[in-house]
Amino acid sequence: KAGVTQTPRYLIKTRGQQVTLSCSPISGHRSVSWYQQTPGQGLQFLFEYFSETQRNKGNFPGRFSGRQFSNSRSEMNVSTLELGDSALYLCASSLAAGTQPQHFGDGTRLSIL
Amino acid sequence: AQSVTQPDIHITVSEGASLELRCNYSYGATPYLFWYVQSPGQGLQLLLKYFSGDTLVQGIKGFEAEFKRSQSSFNLRKPSVHWSDAAEYFCAVMNTGNQFYFGTGTSLTVIP
Repeated sequence: KAGVTQTPRYLIKTRGQQVTLSCSPISGHRSVSWYQQTPGQGLQFLFEYFSETQRNKGNFPGRFSGRQFSNSRSEMNVSTLELGDSALYLCASSLAAGTQPQHFGDGTRLSIL
Repeated sequence: AQSVTQPDIHITVSEGASLELRCNYSYGATPYLFWYVQSPGQGLQLLLKYFSGDTLVQGIKGFEAEFKRSQSSFNLRKPSVHWSDAAEYFCAVMNTGNQFYFGTGTSLTVIP
């Protein structure tokens, strides 16, 4: 059974650009949640999607958005990138919404120059 | 507002010694509590969880944690640490709105 797959693994962008990250959950899992991990702030919840609907949202500005497709794959978009957006972005999948994240991907390392 | 505090940024223990990682939470209701481990080059893995009932929960890899409501704590323990336990450990809480909050993590070094 394939695990949670995140692409790309690494990204380098400059300030003001936008970026899209992708997450494919474990087969059969319908919930995908996203997290930002930085040395200073630790792991912070971004949002959760289930059945193509955003179920929960963390305390991030509107520049951070996401969506989920009918096959449960999810994308996260960050617009007008800032230096502080440099982080490891993790996604996790679960069978159902409102449960703890069960399986995490290896993350996408985003660096803003 | 709910929050999770892990007071120890870094802990070093000798292989074979016992381990306790501290976690304190701030939450009005009975929380759902979790411990995750993040090993170098590997993703986050769920070690154990507490929802209700027995306050001592067993997890994978020989870990256990005890929920103490009076102290708002959910400390992680292991009787005998192995070198492979060296990793970053995160405590987390989920509120009734199903939002997830992680602590800032404790980095564990195991010396032979």
